[in-house]
Amino acid sequence: DGGITQSPKYLFRKEGQNVTLSCEQNLNHDAMYWYRQDPGQGLRLIYYSQIVNDFQKGDIAEGYSVSREKKESFPLTVTSAQKNPTAFYLCASSISPPTGGTLSTDTQYFGPGTRLTVL
Amino acid sequence: AQSVTQPDIHITVSEGASLELRCNYSYGATPYLFWYVQSPGQGLQLLLKYFSGDTLVQGIKGFEAEFKRSQSSFNLRKPSVHWSDAAEYFCAVGAENDMRFGAGTRLTVKP
Repeated sequence: DGGITQSPKYLFRKEGQNVTLSCEQNLNHDAMYWYRQDPGQGLRLIYYSQIVNDFQKGDIAEGYSVSREKKESFPLTVTSAQKNPTAFYLCASSISPPTGGTLSTDTQYFGPGTRLTVL
Repeated sequence: AQSVTQPDIHITVSEGASLELRCNYSYGATPYLFWYVQSPGQGLQLLLKYFSGDTLVQGIKGFEAEFKRSQSSFNLRKPSVHWSDAAEYFCAVGAENDMRFGAGTRLTVKP
């Protein structure tokens, strides 16, 4: 079965600690995304990557970092610099065909999410 | 940049009743338009999308949406709601290498 997996489903962290959220896809998609979801605010883009070893900041990148060493994997690190990290984090991917396909046009396929709580 | 508004935070309908969820966007041209659904504690799933052509778009699970350029709207409809449709629904607007999601509308279905 092709899809996107995120782990863990629930994550607890003490203030001042960095934590890394995992995202893996086996859809052979080129593009991957991280979103933060807070109640009543919809989804906000943290980072996205359209190709291995390249990524771009989204609207709320401060306090977060990512890497894209493999096509299948796009881990997100929530650093201690993120002032309010408690949220639901969603990873997504899209195919981004060579002839086109951008952040505007691609259908995104989402993982089940990780709920991060800072204690 | 584009923006998207979902005016209704929460809607309750009876099972078997019709449903319309509203989505309004702001953008100078016709953007790419999407509707996604999210079940509790889960990721989002695409219901349908519109790029061009016929303004009435059919999607999965019996949903449809109509693009109305004059009203800058892309409302989602379903003729008869099932209890399993209870979820949160997000409208998204894509343009200029950017995607914006609305704040979502939570749908409750009464038996």
